[in-house]
This record gives sequence, C-alpha cells and structure tokens, in this order.
Amino acid sequence: KNEVEQSPQNLTAQEGEFITINCSYSVGISALHWLQQHPGGGIVSLFMLSSGKKKHGRLIATINIQEKHSSLHITASHPRDSAVYICAVTRSNTGNQFYFGTGTSLTVIP
Amino acid sequence: DGGITQSPKYLFRKEGQNVTLSCEQNLNHDAMYWYRQDPGQGLRLIYYSQIVNDFQKGDIAEGYSVSREKKESFPLTVTSAQKNPTAFYLCASSKASRKSYNEQFFGPGTRLTVL
Repeated sequence: KNEVEQSPQNLTAQEGEFITINCSYSVGISALHWLQQHPGGGIVSLFMLSSGKKKHGRLIATINIQEKHSSLHITASHPRDSAVYICAVTRSNTGNQFYFGTGTSLTVIP
Repeated sequence: DGGITQSPKYLFRKEGQNVTLSCEQNLNHDAMYWYRQDPGQGLRLIYYSQIVNDFQKGDIAEGYSVSREKKESFPLTVTSAQKNPTAFYLCASSKASRKSYNEQFFGPGTRLTVL
C-alpha cells in the first residue's frame, strides 16, 4: 500500500467550478507538498505546509495533522489549471526525501 | 536565471546500450535527486546526493549509476542491466538538511525510450 494516497485519480470540471483534490498519508511527516505537473512534464512546487492553511491566488492548501489528511482547493477554475496535481510528503526521520502520491489528473473544460 | 536543466528532452536507445542523462543546476543547492515516473505510478527515487562526492541509493537503484563530482552536476547513467528503462526521468535539487525539510526544484525531465 502506498504511503501517500490521492483522490480522485481523474477529475473533469467546467470552467468556474470549485475543485477539491484530497491527499491522505499513513506515516509521520515533517511536511506535505503540493506539486503541479503540466503536460510537458515539468513539475513546479505549489505549496509546502506542515500545519494549517496556505493560500496563493486561487489555490488553497489545508492540512490536518491529526487526521493525516490534506486538501488542495482551486477556486474559479480555468482551463489553464488543467494539469496533474501531485501530493508528496517528507517523512519525520528521513531528511528531505520525498514520497509521492500517484497524482490527480485535472481537466477544466471551457 | 537560476534553475535546473536536463538534456536531452527525448532520448532513444537500443537495447543493450548504456545512456547518460544530464542534470545541471545553478541554484547553489547541495542536494540533488533522480526520480523515475511511470504511467499510473508516483515518482520513485533512484539516487540522491546530499553533498559532492557522496550519493545514496533510493528505492529503485538497480540498473542505474550516478556520480557527483561537481556541486552543479548529477548525471544519471541507465545501464543495460536496467530491465525496463523506458520512462520519464526527472532531476531535482534542494537545500540540503538531514533533519528538516526543504522545497525541491525540478528539471523539465528526459523521456527515455528503449527501441
């Protein structure tokens, strides 16, 4: 069983919809990361968080340490948000090694 | 601009041949990583290096080799011993710390196809 699980695997939304992607993990962590991978393959970091909530533009990331769960929200979704969103964790005892979920493929239709 | 470069973007190789993927960074990061991505799977760690002249195996190191002779460079060689090398390979770097966590910065990737 993967230590990091994401849901859903695939998501299609209409432009303007509010989107939620979920991530659950089963190990102790020092941080959780949300990453975005565009069709070309390159990956960019969206958020790194260890508690609470962070917001950047239309993106919001939350984490509940007790429940070992994080969510990534996209408000007023746009076709340019179409990408694969990846959740990753750094574990408490392994320095800066990342452990990745399988990703959520998001398509936003105009 | 600071960043990570990988070359080539696409690479084709015949079975039985070794091939080396390049990764260079000018972010002055101590730590560098190589990941492999396959459809339907999360990224998996091949090798990582926390400092020059030192590197450690990740979860799927068999059939791969690396070197870290310079801080800026961390090339990955896919050897003929790697049984299923066709995949997308991503290099990343970060500030190094054994006890805390840091953001990782990713290169654009190299797609390797074995013919």
